[in-house]
Amino acid sequence: NFMLTQPHSVSESPGKTVTISCTGSSGSIASNYVQWYQQRPGSAPTTVIYEDNQRPSGVPDRFSGSIDSSSNSASLTISGLKTEDEADYYCQSYDSSTVVFGGGTKLTVL
Amino acid sequence: QLQLQESGPGLVKPSETLSLTCTVSGGSISSSSYYWGWIRQPPGKGLEWIGSIYYSGSTYYNPSLKSRVTISVDTSKNQFSLKLSSVTAADTAVYYCAVHGDQNWFDPWGQGTLVTVSS
Repeated sequence: NFMLTQPHSVSESPGKTVTISCTGSSGSIASNYVQWYQQRPGSAPTTVIYEDNQRPSGVPDRFSGSIDSSSNSASLTISGLKTEDEADYYCQSYDSSTVVFGGGTKLTVL
Repeated sequence: QLQLQESGPGLVKPSETLSLTCTVSGGSISSSSYYWGWIRQPPGKGLEWIGSIYYSGSTYYNPSLKSRVTISVDTSKNQFSLKLSSVTAADTAVYYCAVHGDQNWFDPWGQGTLVTVSS
């Protein structure tokens, strides 16, 4: 079964840049689009990146997504960190008619 | 703009069937552009996709839940529904409904509803 692996947690200071990885267990992560969702406590997830590197309207350009085929991974990069970016982040993709979510990464901005 | 709202019992007894409905507003569930999905999140844990349905009734399910899941659509009410049978405490979670296209980008999501499995 295809799985997506994320670091359990990351932390960084305000104003800095952080990158969250999402590694595919098999095949090519580049074969299907990767999405990234932000989830604050008590709220439903919202999209910060879709189709690998596209930002929905209203998401600041501090958020960017990329794919690295050599490491079979996707990355979410947040620059100019703000305390409001503190949340859980989930990657999501698709393989063999199955939607898969990564385990989530808790971002702490301190 | 599409909006989704989950509804259903917040408490289900072990071995019984969990039933939830998602009501869609701001658009038609019969649109050929969309699929309609269910995702759940146990307390303090990550997201798990349950399954999705197309307006025509075509479905695809998470293999780990497939034997217990049924998703259906009611175009006359602009709703789709989830049934999960033989529930246990491990099925306690916040259940979300969401819409996605054929590239599987889930957006928007409903606000979620907590279902607790307990006697």
